[in-house]
Amino acid sequence: AQRVTQPEKLLSVFKGAPVELKCNYSYSGSPELFWYVQYSRQRLQLLLRHISRESIKGFTADLNKGETSFHLKKPFAQEEDSAMYYCALSQDNLFFGTGTRLTVIP
Amino acid sequence: NAGVTQTPKFRILKIGQSMTLQCTQDMNHNYMYWYRQDPGMGLKLIYYSVGAGITDKGEVPNGYNVSRSTTEDFPLRLELAAPSQTSVYFCASSPDPFGNTGELFFGEGSRLTVL
Repeated sequence: AQRVTQPEKLLSVFKGAPVELKCNYSYSGSPELFWYVQYSRQRLQLLLRHISRESIKGFTADLNKGETSFHLKKPFAQEEDSAMYYCALSQDNLFFGTGTRLTVIP
Repeated sequence: NAGVTQTPKFRILKIGQSMTLQCTQDMNHNYMYWYRQDPGMGLKLIYYSVGAGITDKGEVPNGYNVSRSTTEDFPLRLELAAPSQTSVYFCASSPDPFGNTGELFFGEGSRLTVL
């Protein structure tokens, strides 16, 4: 069963525009959700976790249990945000979505 | 700290050959993992280990074996390579199980092609 769905494989936005990377999950309990990022020629790394309610590099993600979503948002995209983004759900294991490649156009 | 180091970065195998992907970490983490990522797919857990001497299967363990003789090393062995094992393999480690902080520290990945 697909636990984490990222519907967009590719997403392009202009610099300065808002960006939203979508993530939906299927889990009946209280989910632990995360966003990971992989910049070009770098390792996959944790960007943020929902439980921390933090903003990292201007990105935030709100857990919406009613919509079972955990979308990643940034009000003003920067060129350095171009990367591969993965949503992940912790449920005895860490289940990753298929990822969204974000390209910020100068 | 080097973090998590994987070798080799690239390898081409013939069908039926065997090989070992090496993974070592210098962060003294108890938990280590092997994932594979097929094109257009998310990462899938192959095997994991909660400490030296203890390993367990993940989602897709068939065709692979692991061992954990030390805290630092967690090699992944492919026996009788098949084209379906063509993938990018990631090793990762964490100080606690993924259910806690969710932060895994990843290696750079190993791209394996089986022809």
